[in-house]
Amino acid sequence: AQTVTQSQPEMSVQEAETVTLSCTYDTSENNYYLFWYKQPPSRQMILVIRQEAYKQQNATENRFSVNFQKAAKSFSLKISDSQLGDTAMYFCAFANAGTASKLTFGTGTRLQVTL
Amino acid sequence: DTGVSQNPRHKITKRGQNVTFRCDPISEHNRLYWYRQTLGQGPEFLTYFQNEAQLEKSRLLSDRFSAERPKGSFSTLEIQRTEQGDSAMYLCASSLALVAGELFFGEGSRLTVL
Repeated sequence: AQTVTQSQPEMSVQEAETVTLSCTYDTSENNYYLFWYKQPPSRQMILVIRQEAYKQQNATENRFSVNFQKAAKSFSLKISDSQLGDTAMYFCAFANAGTASKLTFGTGTRLQVTL
Repeated sequence: DTGVSQNPRHKITKRGQNVTFRCDPISEHNRLYWYRQTLGQGPEFLTYFQNEAQLEKSRLLSDRFSAERPKGSFSTLEIQRTEQGDSAMYLCASSLALVAGELFFGEGSRLTVL
């Protein structure tokens, strides 16, 4: 079974600064996907960024980028130029390529962006 | 453009009662998922449908839980003889089968069992 570990329950960053959220995972599979989802307070969860394991290039979506280290089974999220609207719970998630939409989530990191 | 809609948003019930949650996915999405999220945890997979076929069920889904998607459109999740341990947020999501992992979530249905 796959596991996803987020070791930072809470983090805080000042507006306009950069923050990195950590995620590690465990799997014996070679072909899989990794995701970061964002859950703002009292709003629905949305996909932030996705990484295919077979791609060596790190995914980037505007201010969001990942550092994917396959050998270390590490998948961190970097948020640049943090904005107040980035305040949310961030969940790292894993899916096997064969069941690519059945996600295994970590326990989440609560990010607070302050003025 | 309407997203995934879940009803009711909140449900308080007494132990032993039955409850039913409804999910209306994004209309062109052929996959529909149910997840459960308890306080301080990430969502846990319960089950998913491709069109009207229920393709996988988690071991978390005991015999008291049943999900249907009768015409490949909306879905219902019924919990019979509720227990206090069933208290959680029940999340529905939908997706296109071709886009791996891009799930569109609803706002969830929060269940409190007294």
